[in-house]
Amino acid sequence: DGGITQSPKYLFRKEGQNVTLSCEQNLNHDAMYWYRQDPGQGLRLIYYSQIVNDFQKGDIAEGYSVSREKKESFPLTVTSAQKNPTAFYLCASSSEDRAGLYEQYFGPGTRLTVT
Amino acid sequence: AQSVAQPEDQVNVAEGNPLTVKCTYSVSGNPYLFWYVQYPNRGLQFLLKYITGDNLVKGSYGFEAEFNKSQTSFHLKKPSALVSDSALYFCAVRDMWNTNAGKSTFGDGTTLTVKP
Repeated sequence: DGGITQSPKYLFRKEGQNVTLSCEQNLNHDAMYWYRQDPGQGLRLIYYSQIVNDFQKGDIAEGYSVSREKKESFPLTVTSAQKNPTAFYLCASSSEDRAGLYEQYFGPGTRLTVT
Repeated sequence: AQSVAQPEDQVNVAEGNPLTVKCTYSVSGNPYLFWYVQYPNRGLQFLLKYITGDNLVKGSYGFEAEFNKSQTSFHLKKPSALVSDSALYFCAVRDMWNTNAGKSTFGDGTTLTVKP
């Protein structure tokens, strides 16, 4: 999972609580991403960031928020507004240029269960 | 717009036999194509990519993929499958005209099972 850490591996929360998932990379990559993975649905992009202090909504950003205050860190907050937050969350990074030639490196994931 | 399809949810092969995991794509311009592998409860690992040049791309663990522009396909192949190849495989595509850097689209994944 080369250079990207996500914590914790498993997370349990009660409905109505906000929760923050951690993602840290030491690869000196400019771009970072958050994906959600549900069984049979592949990966869906939540947010991504190309540079510090800038981020863009992905395909399913509603109910989530992010920050990018440091190059190596891209935390994701799952808010109480997210209607179905139980899922496997994956963080990734890439050495990105505008041509998008570079592959993504993924963390080990955080499995969030909300009851 | 860009999209990718993996038409098979599951592929089963016997150890030692060749394997193929299929991927087709749709883009407005030229595609950048990627294959990733995911083992249970782990993140994805990069296998190989096609950007330009030779249509046959070689990657990690003996895998290769062939880019076919006329059929808009990028099938993953391996001449001799191992039990340890059993995993979930994802194809991803990025349209070179997509100005939103980093926005690759992933397929739904294909579960490969290699039986001894």
